[in-house]
Amino acid sequence: AQSVTQLDSHVSVSEGTPVLLRCNYSSSYSPSLFWYVQHPNKGLQLLLKYTSAATLVKGINGFEAEFKKSETSFHLTKPSAHMSDAAEYFCVVSDEGGADGLTFGKGTHLIIQP
Amino acid sequence: DGGITQSPKYLFRKEGQNVTLSCEQNLNHDAMYWYRQDPGQGLRLIYYSQIVNDFQKGDIAEGYSVSREKKESFPLTVTSAQKNPTAFYLCASDREGNYGYTFGSGTRLTVV
Repeated sequence: AQSVTQLDSHVSVSEGTPVLLRCNYSSSYSPSLFWYVQHPNKGLQLLLKYTSAATLVKGINGFEAEFKKSETSFHLTKPSAHMSDAAEYFCVVSDEGGADGLTFGKGTHLIIQP
Repeated sequence: DGGITQSPKYLFRKEGQNVTLSCEQNLNHDAMYWYRQDPGQGLRLIYYSQIVNDFQKGDIAEGYSVSREKKESFPLTVTSAQKNPTAFYLCASDREGNYGYTFGSGTRLTVV
């Protein structure tokens, strides 16, 4: 069985400061891991994905995430927050590459203070 | 441009009615999925289909039905048996081995 825990339901940062969104996962196999972003009343957009290649994954809009097997973590970071980054972020895990459906975390709401 | 189209964007249902949410993709993806999103609960899988004329129940299939008669289309029917249907519904598709879904823009269903 697979599961994912997003450790913060809300994160607030000032514009121009670093962003850290935390995610821990549980998986019986070698997982595939994803981060998605959702703006209000919109669908989800894939930010980045880890599929057993390089452990540091670079995504769109300056985001990156590091897969740490020993810590079962896949935290999302960005060096400098922008107002347009304000959104809901979902950490997602799949044991089988997503063929049977993904397991979503409950989401982290990122607030950017001017 | 290729993508997933969900319609309608907003849908209102009376108690006891069945309603059908449309999901169409022109990405030539084999797999399609329906998720339900409730505040603070992330997304939960309702049904998925990996090939035409075949589909599987997800974690919360009760009160829902689907069909997959064409590769491009995966409609979801919310039946009167679904006791709490008010939610945001997201359709997604994936190409085998792609490891990253494409999502539609969602349908917000409200029971009135």
